[in-house]
Amino acid sequence: GAGVSQSPSNKVTEKGKDVELRCDPISGHTALYWYRQSLGQGLEFLIYFQGNSAPDKSGLPSDRFSAERTGGSVSTLTIQRTQQEDSAVYLCASSAGTTRQYFGPGTRLTVT
Amino acid sequence: EDQVTQSPEALRLQEGESSSLNCSYTVSGLRGLFWYRQDPGKGPEFLFTLYSAGEEKEKERLKATLTKKESFLHITAPKPEDSATYLCAVQAPMDSNYQLIWGAGTKLIIKP
Repeated sequence: GAGVSQSPSNKVTEKGKDVELRCDPISGHTALYWYRQSLGQGLEFLIYFQGNSAPDKSGLPSDRFSAERTGGSVSTLTIQRTQQEDSAVYLCASSAGTTRQYFGPGTRLTVT
Repeated sequence: EDQVTQSPEALRLQEGESSSLNCSYTVSGLRGLFWYRQDPGKGPEFLFTLYSAGEEKEKERLKATLTKKESFLHITAPKPEDSATYLCAVQAPMDSNYQLIWGAGTKLIIKP
């Protein structure tokens, strides 16, 4: 596709369950970012991948959150033992360099 | 602490009524300031990047300006399709050249 895609678009899960969110970046983009957006808040940085370098995980809010990027392309964000405060929109972005980021449509996660 | 503050939180205008959105920042060593537009249910869409005080960028009815402390997004004769949330972000520390610090956004509503 021409843009960043994310799946699922919506996810409703019960508290305590694990969830996986997927991001397909723009082909050729070496940088990939995950953000969390809560209602009325700015984007909260979660994790950054750049090529084959070790990811910057400094934004992950707890050890229940993890992410991987396979083959320098697709990325999966995993949240274990979900809590209600994890409810938010999770956005993925990719870029060819370190400036302009292209965003996907996001995954809206609701934890009941 | 590096911070980005956007005002107002929400702005309602009549079609054709020009106005400005503000993004004030306190960062050390600004590398760039970004404006994005976000429609409901979608990811942010890039509008402008500004790098130095005095710089201006224009696109259709939008014009972004930058000073050493703030940026303005001027909207001239807006149309209902300009309704969206406008996000501002800054790129600051030299050793973290990929991280953006985001404001909470201004929700703009243009009434026909």
